[in-house]
Amino acid sequence: QVQLVESGGGLVKPGGSLRLSCAASGFTFSDYYMSWIRQAPGKGLEWVSYISSSSSYTNYADSVKGRFTISRDNAKNSLYLQMNSLRAEDTAVYYCAKTTVTTVYMDVWGKGTTVTVSS
Amino acid sequence: DIQMTQSPSSVSASVGDRVTITCRASQGISSWLAWYQQKPGKAPKLLIYAASSLQSGVPSRFSGSGSGTDFTLTISSLQPEDFATYYCQQANSFPPAFGQGTRLEIK
Repeated sequence: QVQLVESGGGLVKPGGSLRLSCAASGFTFSDYYMSWIRQAPGKGLEWVSYISSSSSYTNYADSVKGRFTISRDNAKNSLYLQMNSLRAEDTAVYYCAKTTVTTVYMDVWGKGTTVTVSS
Repeated sequence: DIQMTQSPSSVSASVGDRVTITCRASQGISSWLAWYQQKPGKAPKLLIYAASSLQSGVPSRFSGSGSGTDFTLTISSLQPEDFATYYCQQANSFPPAFGQGTRLEIK
């Protein structure tokens, strides 16, 4: 079945870096757009970033623009989020999600990976 | 950026009740709206897309309506597994913003 599994979360100091991964299975990864969404502790959902199927188009929330980079490797069925210059407010559960091609609906979500930014 | 506002922020209801949750966009988004359900400690699940289209596998007691700026999610007869937090999300333009969530609790 369609499955997304995130990894790479952990504890990092402010100003540090982390790379999240999302392994996809059960669908033709290269046909779909993908997104990262995060949820701070006890808070709502915040869209973070989006990448087209061929990586030709990316978009970012203002809160992470210039610090985070989304990428994908279709040969490895994998999605990535490189996070630099991390701040305390980046602390959250990060979800990857399969995204519809022509509209930004997230129709399959992973279970999430937790990122904690603290000294 | 488009802002999404849900009401109420929380609601208490009983099994079998009919419940309606409202979502308002700060500007018109046609029918580019989704609804998600999230249970504690779990990932969100897509329920409704394009304002009123039921995602595959979602029970028919869930329905969505609206267009422009005002949208509703209705659960016709609450089941025990429906107690969760519900989020709307606009898909009209970037960034794809979510509402703040509506927590549906057992009365």
